[in-house]
Amino acid sequence: NAGVTQTPKFQVLKTGQSMTLQCAQDMNHNSMYWYRQDPGMGLRLIYYSASEGTTDKGEVPNGYNVSRLNKREFSLRLESAAPSQTSVYFCASKLAGDNEQFFGPGTRLTVL
Amino acid sequence: GQSLEQPSEVTAVEGAIVQINCTYQTSGFYGLSWYQQHDGGAPTFLSYNALDGLEETGRFSSFLSRSDSYGYLLLQELQMKDSASYFCAVRPSGMDSSYKLIFGSGTRLLVRP
Repeated sequence: NAGVTQTPKFQVLKTGQSMTLQCAQDMNHNSMYWYRQDPGMGLRLIYYSASEGTTDKGEVPNGYNVSRLNKREFSLRLESAAPSQTSVYFCASKLAGDNEQFFGPGTRLTVL
Repeated sequence: GQSLEQPSEVTAVEGAIVQINCTYQTSGFYGLSWYQQHDGGAPTFLSYNALDGLEETGRFSSFLSRSDSYGYLLLQELQMKDSASYFCAVRPSGMDSSYKLIFGSGTRLLVRP
């Protein structure tokens, strides 16, 4: 099992550009999550999908959109990138009824 | 809402015991989790406390006291590889929020020889 995979690993954007971060899991998990991590601020939830077909806002959803494409895949889209979105983005997944979230390796995004 | 407080940094010596505290303010939650993250890496799950008391997993133990709004992670027989950041997180109770985790800002542990 590959676990949770994310692409790309690194990305540099100019202000105003758009991009989609991809996440996939092969553990048959029901719930998937997108977090951002800024220095000294821990992990903040952007959006989550409790199950296939549903998505909900987390703590910091502004400037982002998500798509739960199927049970395996959950993508995060930045429509018009801003320097404030420079961060490390982690995708995670969890099996229903479990307490452990499994994280992907992260995408390091810089917006100039 | 929910907020979790952790010390920003803790230093300890190899072989020693260290306790990382987490105090929280929350309207209700199912349990308290702990995650470890090495520099440049992804967070990995360490433990979960649903009930008050101590949960032990090898060299790591985690404690929860709901009456004191307090928990801690105890690391024994510290090794150099334990140098990492440690995050506490709560799973809020409630129909819409129960799938979420709210993380503290993390404690950076430095283990010295």
